[in-house]
Formats: sequence, C-alpha cells, structure tokens
Amino acid sequence: GAGVSQSPSNKVTEKGKDVELRCDPISGHTALYWYRQSLGQGLEFLIYFQGNSAPDKSGLPSDRFSAERTGGSVSTLTIQRTQQEDSAVYLCASSLLPTGTRLGGRNGYTFGSGTRLTVV
Amino acid sequence: TQLLEQSPQFLSIQEGENLTVYCNSSSVFSSLQWYRQEPGEGPVLLVTVVTGGEVKKLKRLTFQFGDARKDSSLHITAAQPGDTGLYLCAGVETGGFKTIFGAGTRLFVKA
Repeated sequence: GAGVSQSPSNKVTEKGKDVELRCDPISGHTALYWYRQSLGQGLEFLIYFQGNSAPDKSGLPSDRFSAERTGGSVSTLTIQRTQQEDSAVYLCASSLLPTGTRLGGRNGYTFGSGTRLTVV
Repeated sequence: TQLLEQSPQFLSIQEGENLTVYCNSSSVFSSLQWYRQEPGEGPVLLVTVVTGGEVKKLKRLTFQFGDARKDSSLHITAAQPGDTGLYLCAGVETGGFKTIFGAGTRLFVKA
C-alpha cells in the first residue's frame, strides 16, 4: 500500500483480556518498528524487525508482550492479560533500510496512524 | 541509555511570532530527525540532519544540528495556525538502529 496501515484504529478491552494489534508496512520496507506513546510522553521503543534477522525485543516492557512478523511483511503485536498501564497509542513504523545505516538514517520512518488501546 | 530532552514542553503563541524548540542530549547521535504529529495521526518526518553544524531550511522552518551532534534546534519564523502540532526530535543511536524520541513540544498558534 501507499502507507503504513494499522488496525484496529481504536480498541477498548477489559483488564485481563488479550489483544492483537496489526501493522501492514509499506511494501518493500525491510525494517519494521513498534513504538508506544503514552499521554504526554515521547515514543517508547518496543521491538524492531529487520529482514529475516532475529528481532530486537529489548524494549518490550514485560513477557506479556510479544510480536511477530510473518513473511517479512505484516506484523502483529500481542499483549496478554492486559493491564490498565498498557493503555496507550501503539505506533508501527517501517523504513526502506534500517535507520542505523547511512541511507536509512537519512530517510527516517514512515509511521502508521496508530492503535489507541484503552484497558478498562 | 540515551535520552533526548526537548524544551519547551508546551508553547502557545500568536500568529506571526517566531519560536525556537530545543532538543538536547549528553549522547552523540549519528543523525537527528524532526517529526510533526497531529492528533490521531502518526508522526511525519520533516527533516533529517546528519553532519555536525548542519543547517537545513524548509520554508519557514530552520533546523540546526549541533557541532558535536548532541543537540538540535528547530526555529519557526512567522508561525501560522497550520504549524500547530506536536514536534518530536529523534536521534539515531551511533552504530545502532534504535531511534530515541524526545517527549515532544506541543505548539499552538493562535490566529
């Protein structure tokens, strides 16, 4: 597609339920990132996928969070046993090249519109 | 852990005024990006600066990367209501892939 697509755009769930958030990156973009943005806060890094390499999961806040990327394209972020502190906007971004590379750093990310998760 | 501090956190000005937003860190970044985010949308890349001392202009916006590649500023001349939004700076860690985001500066320009 033309941009990064995320679904759902809004999700309200009860505490303790599991949720799945989906990200469809720009076709051909090798790098995919998940960030979390809480009210009044900056973006918090969660996880990074690059091609077929093992993902960097160092930003996941607990073992209730997991993510996968199938076929180097669509990614799903799963939160198990949701807690109220999980409420935030979850943003997915993709880039043609990893931002750590010279060209990738110049190009930056293309973000989706995010999924606003509310845990009640 | 690399941190980016942005200031001010919130800015409300009249149309036509000038403003500067600052982004500071004690760490060196390989590049630094500025994004603008509107409500309900993801951040949109405005510019990337790579070289220490680099200055880039985008219409009424001027971006500068510090000589030591630890800080940056965004200057807006003659602000307009359409400039309203959340401005985020983001530093790409040296030798890595992670991009560290500041908490943002929320700008409101009154007509």
